[in-house]
Amino acid sequence: GAVVSQHPSRVICKSGTSVKIECRSLDFQATTMFWYRQFPKKSLMLMATSNEGSKATYEQGVEKDKFLINHASLTLSTLTVTSAHPEDSSFYICSAKRLGYEQYFGPGTRLTVT
Amino acid sequence: AQKITQTQPGMFVQEKEAVTLDCTYDTSDPSYGLFWYKQPSSGEMIFLIYQGSYDQQNATEGRYSLNFQKARKSANLVISASQLGDSAMYFCAMREGQSGGYQKVTFGTGTKLQVIP
Repeated sequence: GAVVSQHPSRVICKSGTSVKIECRSLDFQATTMFWYRQFPKKSLMLMATSNEGSKATYEQGVEKDKFLINHASLTLSTLTVTSAHPEDSSFYICSAKRLGYEQYFGPGTRLTVT
Repeated sequence: AQKITQTQPGMFVQEKEAVTLDCTYDTSDPSYGLFWYKQPSSGEMIFLIYQGSYDQQNATEGRYSLNFQKARKSANLVISASQLGDSAMYFCAMREGQSGGYQKVTFGTGTKLQVIP
């Protein structure tokens, strides 16, 4: 199956700093990438959908200025958590899809804000 | 209303036995897809099985089969011959709309399966 990677797998940052998470589709060109957030022992919640070269579509309740998403190429999307706070600590998972196929998930990034 | 409902927060199964994880869904879209994912303690989401709304046959992938009952809007996952490595969280998910177009996937709350030796 298709491979999606995320980097870093774990990150610890101090409150007030920004952190960037990368999502890459390694063996296919992803027309659309999705970012999910998962709280401990909870389900995945879609944060935003991004199409290459256009602005991301955010789900209701997700702050655009807090969670910056860039989808600069067909194989890379980045999520930047700006001015991170402890409540932003979570597991962030991306997925990528190409036209006509289902989405493939990355392994996730565990963010801890101290 | 919940789009995906998993009523079993936790399940136990004896090794080598079969287990059924329940999932019901709600959609008015005639075209949709149903998925099951496994999430071990490491956190990665592992795709298990997919069923399209127009598929006539129930999907099967190795030890996994999906019991698709369209009229009842249920898509239960059956794991045969459980193994210790099957212990994990299992999520049911639904994609509404055509797979080629915009798709939003909604996840259920998950079922934690524990396989007992």
